[in-house]
Amino acid sequence: QQQVKQSPQSLIVQKGGISIINCAYENTAFDYFPWYQQFPGKGPALLIAIRPDVSEKKEGRFTISFNKSAKQFSLHIMDSQPGDSATYFCAASAILMNRDDKIIFGKGTRLHILP
Amino acid sequence: ETGVTQTPRHLVMGMTNKKSLKCEQHLGHNAMYWYKQSAKKPLELMFVYSLEERVENNSVPSRFSPECPNSSHLFLHLHTLQPEDSALYLCASSQGGLAGGLANEQYFGPGTRLTVT
Repeated sequence: QQQVKQSPQSLIVQKGGISIINCAYENTAFDYFPWYQQFPGKGPALLIAIRPDVSEKKEGRFTISFNKSAKQFSLHIMDSQPGDSATYFCAASAILMNRDDKIIFGKGTRLHILP
Repeated sequence: ETGVTQTPRHLVMGMTNKKSLKCEQHLGHNAMYWYKQSAKKPLELMFVYSLEERVENNSVPSRFSPECPNSSHLFLHLHTLQPEDSALYLCASSQGGLAGGLANEQYFGPGTRLTVT
């Protein structure tokens, strides 16, 4: 019920290509879905996030697609650049009425963009 | 200093040692978090402090003891750790208090790489 399944574990994409990372969740109480980007030696940084009232959110080259009925969401990186090479984490969180906030992260996808 | 800072950046300790990790946020946030990041495992939320009130995480062993003296500082006290506790320990902060903390953007520090020998 609490897992967030992320795939693929690693991904290699040519420069200029589209990188796609997928996540699936089980708990329908989740209502906030962020993606974090982490470079080696750094902490994760929020990249883009979506709430379930919209099916897509775009910020620059980064787009989240959200399918509420399938309980899936994905990150698309258009025109991928070598500087995008990092580990990407999806997450799902919920604000629950009994103070028991939850946030669950996927295991991460290591993305490498070939120059 | 800006953002979220953590010290030390690297720590090697024996199983009988006692040490503390420190986190400081300069963002005016009112919620702070400790996470554990291990290889090939999801990021694990260990503790949440919101408005200096702790939200328990029952799956965290008692050899980890958090302390939040004010909204800007967070400590993680370590004692009698095991080798499997070796990991990157990340601190984060956010604005929003308990009701909205985890659904608001979290700002992470660079982490402390802990090795238990």
